[in-house]
Amino acid sequence: DQQVKQNSPSLSVQEGRISILNCDYTNSMFDYFLWYKKYPAEGPTFLISISSIKDKNEDGRFTVFLNKSAKHLSLHIVPSQPGDSAVYFCAAIPTSGTYKYIFGTGTRLKVLA
Amino acid sequence: DAGITQSPRHKVTETGTPVTLRCHQTENHRYMYWYRQDPGHGLRLIHYSYGVKDTDKGEVSDGYSVSRSKTEDFLLTLESATSSQTSVYFCAISDLEYQPQHFGDGTRLSIL
Repeated sequence: DQQVKQNSPSLSVQEGRISILNCDYTNSMFDYFLWYKKYPAEGPTFLISISSIKDKNEDGRFTVFLNKSAKHLSLHIVPSQPGDSAVYFCAAIPTSGTYKYIFGTGTRLKVLA
Repeated sequence: DAGITQSPRHKVTETGTPVTLRCHQTENHRYMYWYRQDPGHGLRLIHYSYGVKDTDKGEVSDGYSVSRSKTEDFLLTLESATSSQTSVYFCAISDLEYQPQHFGDGTRLSIL
């Protein structure tokens, strides 16, 4: 069973508009959440994270929102740029502290020029 | 960029042969991880290491073994490769609790 779900396999957005990528989780015992971006033939690169004690974290064009009651995480990219076209993975770390990330299946974002 | 090198980057081999993938880091990080990425599954943890000679199983460890004899090297071995182990394998490293893991560029392994 998938504990971390990204239900949209793909998303297309016009350049300059907002991209919203979503992630849902089923286990309330997650302590920390992260977003990674992955280009073809490269490894995932860390983008932004959020602790479960917060509901928002911002870094430049990237903002992550956490809604614990809904067990929902979202990544907002504003404004979207063609270079943002990539696969985005959300990941969660359980409170057991074993550093065992649990990844979602990924969403492929395409930003159209 | 974190100093992580995976070798080989690509490998094609036959069912039943042993395969070893290497992850080398220059960051002196304590934790090292092996993941596999498959369509529809995202990244799944195979094994991880929390220090020299200290390893533990991840979500999909069957058919894989690991070794870490030095801080900088983490080896993943497929004792007898099967076609279901065709995948892209990623190594990752991290240093402190809740510090983000940093990934290598992956090894594409095809087992025919």
